[in-house]
Amino acid sequence: QLQLQESGPGLVKPSETLFLTCSVSGGSIRTTNYYWGWIRQPPGKGLEWIGTFYYTGSTFYNPSLKSQVTISVDTSNNQFSLRLNSMTAADTAVYYCATGRGITPFEFWGQGTVVTVSS
Amino acid sequence: QPVLIQTPTASGTPGQRVTISCSGSRSNIGSTTANWYQQLPGTAPKLLIYANTQRRSGVPDRFSGSKSDTSASLAISGLQSEDEGDYYCAAWDDSLNGWVFGGGTKLTVL
Repeated sequence: QLQLQESGPGLVKPSETLFLTCSVSGGSIRTTNYYWGWIRQPPGKGLEWIGTFYYTGSTFYNPSLKSQVTISVDTSNNQFSLRLNSMTAADTAVYYCATGRGITPFEFWGQGTVVTVSS
Repeated sequence: QPVLIQTPTASGTPGQRVTISCSGSRSNIGSTTANWYQQLPGTAPKLLIYANTQRRSGVPDRFSGSKSDTSASLAISGLQSEDEGDYYCAAWDDSLNGWVFGGGTKLTVL
């Protein structure tokens, strides 16, 4: 089954850009009918969808984060990435990458990576 | 403020049945399907129920889902101590063109 692993810096300074990568194993990121997304969870709070890349090439972003976010896919390395600009303390969270199909959304998750925004 | 509304807390004793509700609107649950995730302490969320009522492979049949109009519910029967954790509903929202989550329900097994 698909396995996902997030990687990236644990600490980011305010106003800087966060770049996280999700490495996929157990299957190809080119698999049809699957989509690849990012979800975050601030400390002590609930889940917030950030954005999703579909195998068709379409990308959808949370309207509240759209100006900050870019999701890209690297098929040669079987991974996808999250870029989040202009980080503030409010962006401190556990960031998860996840994948699923239309009928089984976010079926597989990475273990999550903690990102803290602090000077 | 989450788009899907869940009661923040729920509780029950071992063996009891508890129900967790999720209130949405016509643009999400009302026109698509509800999905449920379980997040045990310190772990990533896990898909429990998809398409309103379908249990993911390996999920015990103590867990069941239902949907009525713009709301969905997750029922857990034969409550066990290992069920203690947070439960989230989620759905695609046609107006926002994105996924929306509920605020989560913290389940305590007394």
